[in-house]
Amino acid sequence: DTAVSQTPKYLVTQMGNDKSIKCEQNLGHDTMYWYKQDSKKFLKIMFSYNNKELIINETVPNRFSPKSPDKAHLNLHINSLELGDSAVYFCASSQDNNHRPFFGQGTRLTVV
Amino acid sequence: QKEVEQNSGPLSVPEGAIASLNCTYSDRGSQSFFWYRQYSGKSPELIMSIYSNGDKEDGRFTAQLNKASQYVSLLIRDSQPSDSATYLCAVNEGTGGKLIFGQGTELSVKP
Repeated sequence: DTAVSQTPKYLVTQMGNDKSIKCEQNLGHDTMYWYKQDSKKFLKIMFSYNNKELIINETVPNRFSPKSPDKAHLNLHINSLELGDSAVYFCASSQDNNHRPFFGQGTRLTVV
Repeated sequence: QKEVEQNSGPLSVPEGAIASLNCTYSDRGSQSFFWYRQYSGKSPELIMSIYSNGDKEDGRFTAQLNKASQYVSLLIRDSQPSDSATYLCAVNEGTGGKLIFGQGTELSVKP
């Protein structure tokens, strides 16, 4: 019955690799997000999609590419991983642009 | 650069006391304000939202908003050890759904 689920929960990978994180929501929400939380717990938005359309694209390296095949899914692909990409990545969804997001359980990415 | 600021803490209170968490924001146009609670290793969960000046109460939690002073606070009455967590203040920027988060205040409730 998980509302916002993301996989994997943990990801350990070497520098230079390419990896993807998947996210699915079963709440019927129109808007989905990716947030990054660094080691100091600072939570920052990266992207948001509304009905598969990119709405917010923060100043994120273009090594990060979101993809929304339908409004229930928003995946995040990261190319050429760097040490500084190590963080917890949270997927979230909300009813629309103006409602507060529900967060998934997070993916802890460690780049070694 | 629009900002949301909180004291990182840790804020330590004894069980049964009132915990007071504060947040200031820079964008005068902000209309929606939220408090999230995040336990260690878990995802943020919404505990309060407030949209107009004044107080909003929900159980042991009271959110207070003062738009003139650009200030939001969260009071937790009768604090319990289970309230020990990081509390994140979030402010909605404009109408695009972009939430700006503060760095969070770590609360520790001692039995």
